[in-house]
Amino acid sequence: NAGVTQTPKFQVLKTGQSMTLQCAQDMNHEYMSWYRQDPGMGLRLIHYSVGAGITDQGEVPNGYNVSRSTTEDFPLRLLSAAPSQTSVYFCASSYSPGRGVGYTFGSGTRLTVV
Amino acid sequence: AQSVTQPDIHITVSEGASLELRCNYSYGATPYLFWYVQSPGQGLQLLLKYFSGDTLVQGIKGFEAEFKRSQSSFNLRKPSVHWSDAAEYFCAVGFFYGGSQGNLIFGKGTKLSVKP
Repeated sequence: NAGVTQTPKFQVLKTGQSMTLQCAQDMNHEYMSWYRQDPGMGLRLIHYSVGAGITDQGEVPNGYNVSRSTTEDFPLRLLSAAPSQTSVYFCASSYSPGRGVGYTFGSGTRLTVV
Repeated sequence: AQSVTQPDIHITVSEGASLELRCNYSYGATPYLFWYVQSPGQGLQLLLKYFSGDTLVQGIKGFEAEFKRSQSSFNLRKPSVHWSDAAEYFCAVGFFYGGSQGNLIFGKGTKLSVKP
């Protein structure tokens, strides 16, 4: 049981480059989400999904795209990276948040945009 | 709008002393409440959570938290701090209305330093 797996763990991008942060879970969780963590800001929600084919924006969605074609995977795409997107990114999943079930977090991806 | 406030950015306590980290939230109903801990360069580890029932919740590593509805607070406590407790602590609140579907709102965190 791997839980929530994020890849890569570290990445350096040049401004304007694109990339995809991968998130996969093997717990059959319907709910998945992406957060970014910046010093002094806590974690802020970027996008979330309540099931395959259903996504929605969180607090800071600009510059990021998501899709959810399967229950297991929820990739986060940066179409044109900017230095302001330098951050640590966390993926989280839950079986059923509305029933009080907890969340499982991945170990994070540290992204630097130069 | 929903919000979570951790008033203390940085707290330093002596090893063996008691600890209380504060968390207040703004929400129209009783939310789900969580405390997470993050060691440097690591991910988030769940310490404890409150969904309903007894307002005093026990967690891992000797931590507990008390939900006080009248104060909209969920403060984290530990009677005797160990050097290994030095980390950053995040309070998080799950909201379940208006289509938010259970998204977590995090406080900005409190960094705990422990003096020997």
